Amino acid sequence: SAVISQKPSRDICQRGTSLTIQCQVDSQVTMMFWYRQQPGQSLTLIATANQGSEATYESGFVIDKFPISRPNLTFSTLTVSNMSPEDSSIYLCSVDDVGYTFGSGTRLTVV
Amino acid sequence: KQEVTQIPAALSVPEGENLVLNCSFTDSAIYNLQWFRQDPGKGLTSLLLIQSSQREQTSGRLNASLDKSSGRSTLYIAASQPGDSATYLCAVNQGAQKLVFGQGTRLTINP
Repeated sequence: SAVISQKPSRDICQRGTSLTIQCQVDSQVTMMFWYRQQPGQSLTLIATANQGSEATYESGFVIDKFPISRPNLTFSTLTVSNMSPEDSSIYLCSVDDVGYTFGSGTRLTVV
Repeated sequence: KQEVTQIPAALSVPEGENLVLNCSFTDSAIYNLQWFRQDPGKGLTSLLLIQSSQREQTSGRLNASLDKSSGRSTLYIAASQPGDSATYLCAVNQGAQKLVFGQGTRLTINP
C-alpha cells in the first residue's frame, strides 16, 4: 500500500497566522483527502483534492479558510488560514489505495 | 445518512485477555469496512480491511468480522498486550470517496 509522508508533525501557531501542511505520497494517486480531527472527536473530511482541478470541499469548509494545492499526482498541501484557537486539531491527509492510508498527522495548537 | 457507532467508548482490561470491540452502521450498502488504530496525537494505522463480500479478515492476533446485513462488525484482539493500548476506529466506505468514521474505542491494556 501507499506510504505517505506528512509534515510538520506538530506546530504551535499564533492566532491570525497561517500554516501549510504538506503530504507526499510514494506513488501516483488520483485523489487525496484532507481530514480534521478535533480534540476528542472522530475524523471529519475537509476536502478532496484532484490533480489539475479545484478541490471539492465538504459542507462547513471553505476554500478561503482551507486552500488546497495539488500540483502533481504525488503531492498536496493544505493551508489553515487566519487561525483561531478553534482550529486546534489534528489534520490528516489520506489516499484510497488498498483501503485508505493516512499520513502521520499534524497536531496543530493555536494560541 | 450513514451513522457509525462504536461500543464501548472506552475499555480497560488486564494484559493477556481476549477482547472484542464492536462497530455498527445504519446503512448496509457499503463498499468495505476498515479498522484503524490511532495512538495519541498521531495518524491512523490501517489494521484490517474487509470488502463487502467478505465475512472476516485476520492479521496476527487480530480478527475482524463483518455482517453487512445486520450492519455490524467486530474486532477481536487475542492475548492483549500493553502495546495494544490505543484508540481503535472503524470506518465504513460507501464509495464516492465517502469514509464515515465511528467515534472510536479507547483501549487500555494494564500490565
